[in-house]
Amino acid sequence: ILNVEQSPQSLHVQEGDSTNFTCSFPSSNFYALHWYRWETAKSPEALFVMTLNGDEKKKGRISATLNTKEGYSYLYIKGSQPEDSATYLCALLNSNSGYALNFGKGTSLLVTP
Amino acid sequence: GAVVSQHPSRVICKSGTSVKIECRSLDFQATTMFWYRQFPKQSLMLMATSNEGSKATYEQGVEKDKFLINHASLTLSTLTVTSAHPEDSSFYICQALGNSPGTEAFFGQGTRLTVV
Repeated sequence: ILNVEQSPQSLHVQEGDSTNFTCSFPSSNFYALHWYRWETAKSPEALFVMTLNGDEKKKGRISATLNTKEGYSYLYIKGSQPEDSATYLCALLNSNSGYALNFGKGTSLLVTP
Repeated sequence: GAVVSQHPSRVICKSGTSVKIECRSLDFQATTMFWYRQFPKQSLMLMATSNEGSKATYEQGVEKDKFLINHASLTLSTLTVTSAHPEDSSFYICQALGNSPGTEAFFGQGTRLTVV
């Protein structure tokens, strides 16, 4: 079991605010880091899969960065909207995982109008 | 993206009964399916790995005789919770590997099991 930590546990912001979450993980044997957006009663939706140190990926108002040497990734949401309310999960793959994911507990985001 | 359909989404059963959870890959062949569970305020934890046509491998602390996994076809994997007890109440979710393992993962919608 790999220790993947996410912070904060929950977050409540106003519409229009920008926000960011952290995922920290053991850096040894790193293979990939996944970010998911998860709404209740739905399948987790893949946001990003990051593999390279220094990688930065963007999808609309959401972006993510990766530092594999120090073992952390940031997820940023610019100009939060109520529809961004969800739980954001990060999950680590390392070369010993056999393609099974090691999840953090998630960050629960609530965006109010 | 690929779709994995998981049923039921919610089930309540009596203690001592068995419950079957199904995961189907609708538009691709899933040779490998992972089963996770999540207890309140905890992370999703891997229970077992199921490979089509072979026995599942279970994580430490997961009883293979209690959580029966069958992956008899490339599109269907089932998890049966046998003789369920209240401590088995949890959220169970399946994940299939895509054609690019490590960078593709497709999840079911999850099953909320409550044992009374």
